[in-house]
Amino acid sequence: EAQVTQNPRYLITVTGKKLTVTCSQNMNHEYMSWYRQDPGLGLRQIYYSMNVEVTDKGDVPEGYKVSRKEKRNFPLILESPSPNQTSLYFCASRPAGVYGYTFGSGTRLTVV
Amino acid sequence: GQSLEQPSEVTAVEGAIVQINCTYQTSGFYGLSWYQQHDGGAPTFLSYNALDGLEETGRFSSFLSRSDSYGYLLLQELQMKDSASYFCAVRSLYNQGGKLIFGQGTELSVKP
Repeated sequence: EAQVTQNPRYLITVTGKKLTVTCSQNMNHEYMSWYRQDPGLGLRQIYYSMNVEVTDKGDVPEGYKVSRKEKRNFPLILESPSPNQTSLYFCASRPAGVYGYTFGSGTRLTVV
Repeated sequence: GQSLEQPSEVTAVEGAIVQINCTYQTSGFYGLSWYQQHDGGAPTFLSYNALDGLEETGRFSSFLSRSDSYGYLLLQELQMKDSASYFCAVRSLYNQGGKLIFGQGTELSVKP
C-alpha cells in the first residue's frame, strides 16, 4: 500500500531531551515536507526537501533539524525540545510534477 | 509577506451547495491547492489549480482567478461526511516550488 509512515504516533517527553520523529514513504516521491499544526494556526511548514541531500527551511524552522540521506526517509530532529514545540506534526510527500501531497497519520508530541 | 485568508467556519444543510473562499497574498505564485481534514486526521488532497478557471472532480470543484488572487472550493450535494476542515494552500515559486503555505482552515458543519 502506498503510504507515508510516521513514528511514533504519540510521544510525551521532557524539556531538553533530544528526540527524532521518523518519516518514511514507499512511493519514490522526490518532495517531502514537515508541518506542525496548532489550534487556530493551521498547518505551518517546518522544513521541506526537493530530493536527496536538498533541503530548505519553511516558515517555522527554529528548534528543528532535518536530513534527507535517502529518498524514502526524512526524519525530523528536535535537539533540545521545549514546551512550545508541543504540537501535532505531519510528514508529507509528493512526486515531482504532481502537486498534491500525501500526508502521514501524524505525531502528537507533548513536551513537559 | 505571504498570507491566505479563508472563513473560519461555514454551516450548511445536507444536499445543499457551499462555497469556501480563499484570498491570498504571496510573492511568487505557482498554484492553489485544497485539502480536507477530518478531526485530527491526516489532511487529504482535493484539488490543485495553476491556471484561471474551474476544475471539477466529482462533487467538488475548485476555481482560481490569478488576477484577483482569489480562489474557492465548491462542494455540491453536501453529505454529512463532508463535515471537516478545509484548507487552501499556495505553492510558492520560491525554491523549485517546494514551499507550501496553508490558510488557517475553514470548519464546515453539515446539518441534517
